[in-house]
Amino acid sequence: KNQVEQSPQSLIILEGKNCTLQCNYTVSPFSNLRWYKQDTGRGPVSLTIMTFSENTKSNGRYTATLDADTKQSSLHITASQLSDSASYICVVSASGATNKLIFGTGTLLAVQP
Amino acid sequence: DTGVSQDPRHKITKRGQNVTFRCDPISEHNRLYWYRQTLGQGPEFLTYFQNEAQLEKSRLLSDRFSAERPKGSFSTLEIQRTEQGDSAMYLCASSSTVSTDTQYFGPGTRLTVL
Repeated sequence: KNQVEQSPQSLIILEGKNCTLQCNYTVSPFSNLRWYKQDTGRGPVSLTIMTFSENTKSNGRYTATLDADTKQSSLHITASQLSDSASYICVVSASGATNKLIFGTGTLLAVQP
Repeated sequence: DTGVSQDPRHKITKRGQNVTFRCDPISEHNRLYWYRQTLGQGPEFLTYFQNEAQLEKSRLLSDRFSAERPKGSFSTLEIQRTEQGDSAMYLCASSSTVSTDTQYFGPGTRLTVL
């Protein structure tokens, strides 16, 4: 069964600190992996997208990594800001079915001053 | 173009009533998707269109749910005889098969069934 699991479920950090969110997936055959940021009450916004051959992708203070062998991805947030408080969702799509995305349940991040 | 828009943003209805939501995708996007998201969960796929054709429907989409995209532009999602279990955020997304096929999401419609 295609699944995406994320950890931790929730995380509280102080402003300015770094954090790393984890994603494990069992989607096969793998096409690409995306990280989305979802603010409360809003739709998800794409942060990064990585294909099988990409190991790392950065978007400002966000850096995503992908290990296709172990089927793991991480999202590292550097120098966190209050506006980073949101749910971060790992999303995987399978080859031949890129129209349908498999979503993780998300990590709820709270950045405190 | 300011992105995907959805209307209304919030809807409160009584059990048994019908509701209809609208989604306007990014204008050049040929694919349009509907998802449902409950609190603390990731979005769940409901259905998607390529142009005006509805190509896939999830088993989550019971016969009380119907979606249309008559001219290949905006789409509507109707829920008939609403139940309390239908309370959720309904998200619309669009993408273009010409580019990376990244899905861009709208702000969602929050449905509360009393």
